Amino acid sequence: GAGVSQTPSNKVTEKGKYVELRCDPISGHTALYWYRQSLGQGPEFLIYFQGTGAADDSGLPNDRFFAVRPEGSVSTLKIQRTERGDSAVYLCASSLGPGTDTQYFGPGTRLTVL
Amino acid sequence: EDQVTQSPEALRLQEGESSSLNCSYTVSGLRGLFWYRQDPGKGPEFLFTLYSAGEEKEKERLKATLTKKESFLHITAPKPEDSATYLCAVQARTGGFKTIFGAGTRLFVKA
Repeated sequence: GAGVSQTPSNKVTEKGKYVELRCDPISGHTALYWYRQSLGQGPEFLIYFQGTGAADDSGLPNDRFFAVRPEGSVSTLKIQRTERGDSAVYLCASSLGPGTDTQYFGPGTRLTVL
Repeated sequence: EDQVTQSPEALRLQEGESSSLNCSYTVSGLRGLFWYRQDPGKGPEFLFTLYSAGEEKEKERLKATLTKKESFLHITAPKPEDSATYLCAVQARTGGFKTIFGAGTRLFVKA
């Protein structure tokens, strides 16, 4: 079956612009996570969805970042007024359920803010 | 504060030279500890979940062990295809479902 997919694979934008990053989880997975990974670092937790609701958004760095999952499947991470420091690989993962269920990661979206 | 520290940052081995990677963690009640492998340009790939001290899991040349303060990933007779970054992560019982990752150990295995 298909794994987690993320689009676009690469996104280059200018400082101050708005971007949307999309994640298609594995079918039937109720839990969805967003992470940000900078070069040489491990993934940094951003937000966790259980179904349609954001169960834990404690990792979002500020109010420029927002994520939705309106139908409990596809999720979109939205970044307003992008800054150069937002440049990173944004990873999405899904799992069958919450907690210690195995998280399956997508390939990531590389965001570059010029 | 929950924290994960991995060592060494990088490890260079000859093919067949066994070694271990360390993951030290501080967490307010461990729900689970995870090991992932990440190849360049790809997302992390799940290897193991460990839940309690004394637990061990094996897969091919890899064996993961867990104590109350650290986990080890033992690599027996590695091959060049084992070259990757190995990531350790934890979830705390009281931290919701936030998963905290270490910075990883970059493993290079030379033929």
